[in-house]
Amino acid sequence: DVKVTKSSRYLVKRTGEKVFLECVQDMDHENMFWYRQDPGLGLRLIYFSYDVKMKEKGDIPEGYSVSREKKERFSLILESASTNQTSMYLCASSPLGQGYNSPLHFGNGTRLTVT
Amino acid sequence: RKEVEQDPGPFNVPEGATVAFNCTYSNSASQSFFWYRQDCRKEPKLLMSVYSSGNEDGRFTAQLNRASQYISLLIRDSKLSDSATYLCVVTYSSNTGKLIFGQGTTLQVKP
Repeated sequence: DVKVTKSSRYLVKRTGEKVFLECVQDMDHENMFWYRQDPGLGLRLIYFSYDVKMKEKGDIPEGYSVSREKKERFSLILESASTNQTSMYLCASSPLGQGYNSPLHFGNGTRLTVT
Repeated sequence: RKEVEQDPGPFNVPEGATVAFNCTYSNSASQSFFWYRQDCRKEPKLLMSVYSSGNEDGRFTAQLNRASQYISLLIRDSKLSDSATYLCVVTYSSNTGKLIFGQGTTLQVKP
């Protein structure tokens, strides 16, 4: 399973607050990803990681940072939340052994509203 | 032009109908292709991979046309439970593992 922990399915934060979303997977996957999904824009990749302590910027990394201290955990951090970061956040993982083109396993996601 | 394009729909069809969605991609170096299904307010789930020779899984058939750079998903004998958004996903050989998602096509099957 892939799960987003330490946050509820629906999260409301104020502008300027720090937001921490943690993704945990128990499938021993090397690759982990953070996406956001917005109406009319689809899923957009924020950051991904293919190994512990490794991270790569996705298509929209601005305003976000990530941390991968352990293989099973990939955290997304909004240092100072802004209203344009209101979105559905989805975490995913995939195994490296099957190549970079293996399908993703998504967690349940968190709908974040920044007021 | 978007890298992966889909008609957002919605496609409204009666139960038992056959419906098909297309998805076009812009990069000829595309390597892998998938269809995902996403129910309302839920996470996407892999429906099926798309192979060069085409593949079938029950009522679902996926096809790839590299010459015209599109993939298709055919659903036969539609069920009410097929109502969802179907996401087309493409990866490129030069890509380091990122999947490019289409915006999705919404299907609503009516009784």
